[in-house]
Amino acid sequence: AQSVTQPDIHITVSEGASLELRCNYSYGATPYLFWYVQSPGQGLQLLLKYFSGDTLVQGIKGFEAEFKRSQSSFNLRKPSVHWSDAAEYFCAVGGSSASKIIFGSGTRLSIRP
Amino acid sequence: ETGVTQSPTHLIKTRGQQVTLRCSSQSGHNTVSWYQQALGQGPQFIFQYYREEENGRGNFPPRFSGLQFPNYSSELNVNALELDDSALYLCASSLVASGRIETQYFGPGTRLLVL
Repeated sequence: AQSVTQPDIHITVSEGASLELRCNYSYGATPYLFWYVQSPGQGLQLLLKYFSGDTLVQGIKGFEAEFKRSQSSFNLRKPSVHWSDAAEYFCAVGGSSASKIIFGSGTRLSIRP
Repeated sequence: ETGVTQSPTHLIKTRGQQVTLRCSSQSGHNTVSWYQQALGQGPQFIFQYYREEENGRGNFPPRFSGLQFPNYSSELNVNALELDDSALYLCASSLVASGRIETQYFGPGTRLLVL
């Protein structure tokens, strides 16, 4: 079955601290992987994506993610968070010819001043 | 700013009514997907349209239907509204080229409340 698991429902980090949000996926074919961010009451903004090639992917706003096929993971990282990073983060998986993207249930990030 | 717009932004309906939500795709995109996001959940795929034909459907009943127009704008129609249909409805546009789907870009959503 195709699925995405984000094991952390809510994470709080201090401003300036590093961040890692976990994502594990189950997908039968070669996965396309995404991280999206959603601010309250807003749509989804794409942070980064992995289709192929280098397994360390750079995105917007200083985020990066690493694809580890052996662990079926695609964790999101940022070396130093800012208060404006507080939002809901969604990991998602799809395929090259798949019509749908499967989303995880999200991780809510709070920033401690 | 993704270039994907949705209308209306908010909507209140009563149980049993019908609703139509609209989406305008990013310029040049030929595919639109619709998702339902219940409160506290991740988006769930409803269906996708490619060149005005349905191209995949999630686990939603037939009372959820859609249309895509030649200018690639799209509608989501929901008949016989139920309380559980209350959610944020997101559309996403993308470009399909050589059979491969590129990144989906999301609109701001329409928040539907069913009373």
